Amino acid sequence: DADVTQTPRNRITKTGKRIMLECSQTKGHDRMYWYRQDPGLGLRLIYYSFDVKDINKGEISDGYSVSRQAQAKFSLSLESAIPNQTALYFCATGDSNQPQHFGDGTRLSIL
Amino acid sequence: RKEVEQDPGPFNVPEGATVAFNCTYSNSASQSFFWYRQDCRKEPKLLMSVYSSGNEDGRFTAQLNRASQYISLLIRDSKLSDSATYLCVVKDGNFNKFYFGSGTKLNVKP
Repeated sequence: DADVTQTPRNRITKTGKRIMLECSQTKGHDRMYWYRQDPGLGLRLIYYSFDVKDINKGEISDGYSVSRQAQAKFSLSLESAIPNQTALYFCATGDSNQPQHFGDGTRLSIL
Repeated sequence: RKEVEQDPGPFNVPEGATVAFNCTYSNSASQSFFWYRQDCRKEPKLLMSVYSSGNEDGRFTAQLNRASQYISLLIRDSKLSDSATYLCVVKDGNFNKFYFGSGTKLNVKP
C-alpha cells in the first residue's frame, strides 16, 4: 500500500462545480501539503498544515480551501472550479526536518 | 525573483556521459537542500539530500555552495533510466516551507 494516497487519480468536471480531492497518509507525519503542478512552472504550494489545528495558506491559495480532518487526512476543495485550475495536484507529507513524500497525484481537468 | 531557479533544459546526452545541473536559490537563510527526480506524469521522488560537505550516492554527487547560493547535481556514466526531470528543492528554515524549482529535463540517448 502507498504511504500517501490521493483520490481520485483523475477527474474531469465542468466549470462551477465543487470538487474535493482527498489525501491520506500512513507515515504518521504531522505535516501535510497540497501543491499544484503546471508545465514550466514547477510545483506551487496551495495550502499546508503542520498539525490538525493548523492551516496555512501557500503561494496560490485563492479559489481553494482545505480541511485537516485528522492527522492522516488532508483534503483540498475547489468551491467553484474554473478552467485555469486544470492541473496536476499533489499531496505531500513530512516532518520538520525531513524531505517530503508525495502521493501519486490527481489529474484534474475543468471544462 | 523566483525562490529557486533551474535551467529547464532539455539536456540531451549519450549513454555513459557525465552531466551536471545547477540550481540557484535566493534566500540566504535556506537551511536544507534536496534533489528530487520526477518521471513524466508521476510524483516527485527524493533522489538525495544535499549536505554542506557534499555527498555522493553511487553515480550521483550533490554539492552545495552557500557563498554563491547554488547547489549542483552530477551524474556520471548516464543510463537510459536516468532520463527524467530533476527538481531542485530548498527548505526555508524560517517558515519550514519547501520551494521547488521548475525542473531540469534530462534525456539520455542510446
